[in-house]
Amino acid sequence: KQEVTQIPAALSVPEGENLVLNCSFTDSAIYNLQWFRQDPGKGLTSLLLIQSSQREQTSGRLNASLDKSSGRSTLYIAASQPGDSATYLCAVRSNDYKLSFGAGTTVTVRA
Amino acid sequence: KAGVTQTPRYLIKTRGQQVTLSCSPISGHRSVSWYQQTPGQGLQFLFEYFSETQRNKGNFPGRFSGRQFSNSRSEMNVSTLELGDSALYLCASSGGTSVFFTGELFFGEGSRLTVL
Repeated sequence: KQEVTQIPAALSVPEGENLVLNCSFTDSAIYNLQWFRQDPGKGLTSLLLIQSSQREQTSGRLNASLDKSSGRSTLYIAASQPGDSATYLCAVRSNDYKLSFGAGTTVTVRA
Repeated sequence: KAGVTQTPRYLIKTRGQQVTLSCSPISGHRSVSWYQQTPGQGLQFLFEYFSETQRNKGNFPGRFSGRQFSNSRSEMNVSTLELGDSALYLCASSGGTSVFFTGELFFGEGSRLTVL
């Protein structure tokens, strides 16, 4: 059974600092990994999708890396802004196509 | 392009009742999946449909069921509601082009169910 862990559960940074969010998974037989953000009471917004054959994906200030052998993915957000405050979740789709979510990291960017 | 639409957005039920939630995927998407989100358990996968066929199911009791129609719209039903079923129910669609391809997931805003 795939277990997905996100550490830390919460972090607070001053505006302008780079954010580093971690996601680890126990079974390296994955199909893809997707990062989302969720604002309070809202649905999930897709940030980046990394297929199992890829090592990283980039979109604007966001960069996500994937290391299947070590069971890790990292989401980098450059030059954080108060609007980046949200909960960030990673989701791992295993080769049996089941999706497993981490508990999320709640980010607060202080102005 | 319209996003994933879930209805109703909010609803209140009492124990023992049943509820049906609806999800309209992004136009052209044939895969729809459902999730339950609670503060204690986080996001948990319920089931996934592709072209009217359930292709994956999470570890939920049989009170939770779903279906997908020929236009890709999906419904989920929860019978004999319990207090613990109070949650945000999220639906996501994906533009997978075959039964064995799963692409990027796009989520709706969710249906918040409160069971009294």
